Amino acid sequence: ELKVEQNPLFLSMQEGKNYTIYCNYSTTSDRLYWYRQDPGKSLESLFVLLSNGAVKQEGRLMASLDTKARLSTLHITAAVHDLSATYFCARTFNNDMRFGAGTRLTVKP
Amino acid sequence: DAGVTQSPTHLIKTRGQQVTLRCSPKSGHDTVSWYQQALGQGPQFIFQYYEEEERQRGNFPDRFSGHQFPNYSSELNVNALLLGDSALYLCASTRNRGRGYGYTFGSGTRLTVV
Repeated sequence: ELKVEQNPLFLSMQEGKNYTIYCNYSTTSDRLYWYRQDPGKSLESLFVLLSNGAVKQEGRLMASLDTKARLSTLHITAAVHDLSATYFCARTFNNDMRFGAGTRLTVKP
Repeated sequence: DAGVTQSPTHLIKTRGQQVTLRCSPKSGHDTVSWYQQALGQGPQFIFQYYEEEERQRGNFPDRFSGHQFPNYSSELNVNALLLGDSALYLCASTRNRGRGYGYTFGSGTRLTVV
């Protein structure tokens, strides 16, 4: 069974600091996704990672994928308040997308 | 270019009733998936439709059923509603062919069962 585990589940950080969110999954599968969700809103796609060693960056966020370790990371650089949200990783297996529990990020001034 | 549209946005139903939620996929997308997201949790996969057939199903009872129409739009039906069915229901669409296509999510339907 495909399981996706994220940590930490809650993250409070100061503006300007760096931090990493980790996403572990249990079985090999084809794609890894990162999404952002603001309170009461839907999911916004951030990254789609397809292969081992893939790295994608958008602004202060950078995502990477290590399929051998079954690990993806979302690195936050010099956090700003606007990044406060819940971040989900998700992995597809066949046509079934499984989500992690989410990391609720709060960036404080 | 319209994204994924869902209706209604909010719904209140009584236990035991039935509900139908609707989803129009993003232009160019032919595959629709439905998810249930309880408060404070990650989305849970309900099922996926492609070519008007249910292609994959998550761990949800038969009370949850769906349909896909020739124009790729989709409906989610839930019978005999329980209090525990209260959640945000998300529809996501994608293209079936080619790698690297992400899923586009709709804004969701907030269902409250009382």
